[in-house]
Amino acid sequence: QQKVQQSPESLSVPEGGMASFNCTSSDRNFQYFWWYRQHSGEGPKALMSIFSDGDKKEGRFTAHLNKASLHVSLHIRDSQPSDSALYFCAASFNYGGSGNKLIFGTGTLLSVKP
Amino acid sequence: NAGVIQTPRHKVTGKGQEATLWCEPISGHSAVFWYRQTIVQGLEFLTYFRNQAPIDDSGMPKERFSAQMPNQSHSTLKIQSTQPQDSAVYLCASSPGGTGNTLYFGEGSRLIVV
Repeated sequence: QQKVQQSPESLSVPEGGMASFNCTSSDRNFQYFWWYRQHSGEGPKALMSIFSDGDKKEGRFTAHLNKASLHVSLHIRDSQPSDSALYFCAASFNYGGSGNKLIFGTGTLLSVKP
Repeated sequence: NAGVIQTPRHKVTGKGQEATLWCEPISGHSAVFWYRQTIVQGLEFLTYFRNQAPIDDSGMPKERFSAQMPNQSHSTLKIQSTQPQDSAVYLCASSPGGTGNTLYFGEGSRLIVV
């Protein structure tokens, strides 16, 4: 069964600090990766996608992908209390009819302390 | 543009009863997904449709769960003979379709089976 392992389970950072999340996938067929964020009582919302090896930066958020090691990470600089949420990595395959199905990681609960 | 709409937001049902959850995808999106979220299992894929046709139901418990998409503007997830272990948040998402496209989630339907 395809799996996406995520770490840490929870994370607490001070306001203005750096938050970092890691994911490792179990299947080399995963080609596309996303980071999603879920605030309490809401559905997950996509933060950013990354499909090529290397870094991708969008504002305070930077994602890094290394397909050889099946590793993807997300870094949030200058963390704000509003960033407190559950963060998921997600991966999908590139084949046939199920190419768009997302497999989600286990999630990291981020708390940003004012 | 309205997001994905899910109804009801909350449902309490007695053990053995039937529960039906509704999803209205974003207009123009060709793919609709159903996920289940629990504390223990996290975000689990259930099933998905593309252009109303079922593509992958590999995550669906076979005996009591069924999903349909009778037209492009709504999908339903039906659970027969509900059990306490079916208690979860059921999330619907839609996507423009195609590999590499982001999923947009609704706020979810919280099902409690007593």
